[in-house]
Amino acid sequence: GNSVTQMEGPVTLSEEAFLTINCTYTATGYPSLFWYVQYPGEGLQLLLKATKADDKGSNKGFEATYRKETTSFHLEKGSVQVSDSAVYFCALSNDYKLSFGAGTTVTVRA
Amino acid sequence: DSGVTQTPKHLITATGQRVTLRCSPRSGDLSVYWYQQSLDQGLQFLIQYYNGEERAKGNILERFSAQQFPDLHSELNLSSLELGDSALYFCASSVAGTSGSPDTQYFGPGTRLTVL
Repeated sequence: GNSVTQMEGPVTLSEEAFLTINCTYTATGYPSLFWYVQYPGEGLQLLLKATKADDKGSNKGFEATYRKETTSFHLEKGSVQVSDSAVYFCALSNDYKLSFGAGTTVTVRA
Repeated sequence: DSGVTQTPKHLITATGQRVTLRCSPRSGDLSVYWYQQSLDQGLQFLIQYYNGEERAKGNILERFSAQQFPDLHSELNLSSLELGDSALYFCASSVAGTSGSPDTQYFGPGTRLTVL
């Protein structure tokens, strides 16, 4: 079956620091990969996605590359802001549903 | 704003009761998905409807049921509620959602259910 493993948090950073959140997956076939973000008290927002190997998804300064050889989709941002404080979820889908990782809580301090 | 709406935002009820959560998908989306987010289980897929018909089931309890109406809005019914049913319930929608061609799912703000 499908599964997603994310690095455990919480992660605390200073503003302008580099952020990496590791994500690896197990799936049959060729899944699409997603990063969703959940800000405090809000629902899930799609941050970025990639639908095939070597695709790079990017949005709001965040990037992630679909690496089939390492079954990974690590999220990176070069310079985080306080407003990036949120819970980040890696997810995959190769059929009708999304399978999510456990989520990584990121706190950025000024 | 994803375009997916959910009501109510918060719901507090007692054990043994029954509640109904409502979801309106984005304009043009035919698929609706329900997910449960709890501290111990994380985000779990419950059920999917496509154009009024049940398409797939996940970890949905027998006490829970859902339907999608002709106007494409969906309702999730939770009955004989237990303390452990306290969670955030999200609805998501996508254009189609067929096997082998996964759509991007857009999530609503969620309904927080508290069972006392």
